[in-house]
Amino acid sequence: SQTIHQWPATLVQPVGSPLSLECTVEGTSNPNLYWYRQAAGRGLQLLFYSIGIDQISSEVPQNLSASRPQDRQFILSSKKLLLSDSGFYLCAWSTISGANVLTFGAGSRLTVL
Amino acid sequence: QQPVQSPQAVILREGEDAVINCSSSKALYSVHWYRQKHGEAPVFLMILLKGGEQKGHEKISASFNEKKQQSSLYLTASQLSYSGTYFCGTEVGGTSYGKLTFGQGTILTVHP
Repeated sequence: SQTIHQWPATLVQPVGSPLSLECTVEGTSNPNLYWYRQAAGRGLQLLFYSIGIDQISSEVPQNLSASRPQDRQFILSSKKLLLSDSGFYLCAWSTISGANVLTFGAGSRLTVL
Repeated sequence: QQPVQSPQAVILREGEDAVINCSSSKALYSVHWYRQKHGEAPVFLMILLKGGEQKGHEKISASFNEKKQQSSLYLTASQLSYSGTYFCGTEVGGTSYGKLTFGQGTILTVHP
């Protein structure tokens, strides 16, 4: 069966520090991968999606970047965090064909101070 | 463009029914429904594809009116476990690589 792992679960970082959130998927090949962000009490905003290694699309201009160095690994990064980067970050995957149902990881809660 | 969900919040007693609506200004290929418990990741409930279909899962069902670009989620005889925030996610076009645009969510609270 397929599983998705996301870490770290919780992160408190000072403004201006770097960020790296990692996500890996097991039990499937060539998944579509996504990074969503959820601000407190708000909906889910798509940040990046990837249909293959080194194929990343950004949905909103911002202080973040994403990379996919391996088929089942998706990394969200920032060189210098802003206060507005605080939120709940969710990695998700879907199959490349079919109904594109998203399966989310457990999430990473980032607080920027 | 973000779909609009209504109502923003619902408070129920166990056994009561609720309807959550999701409207889009764009032609939709599919509508997904997810439920999120506090502090947890969203969990998939069901997907509806264009064609005006209806689906059900136990006491939770949904409809998709393609012409009106609307979907509704029906929760009947609600249980305490139904509490959470419900999101609709919409997909425009069949080749959008699963990119979903989510509504702002509807908070459902079920009391004993």
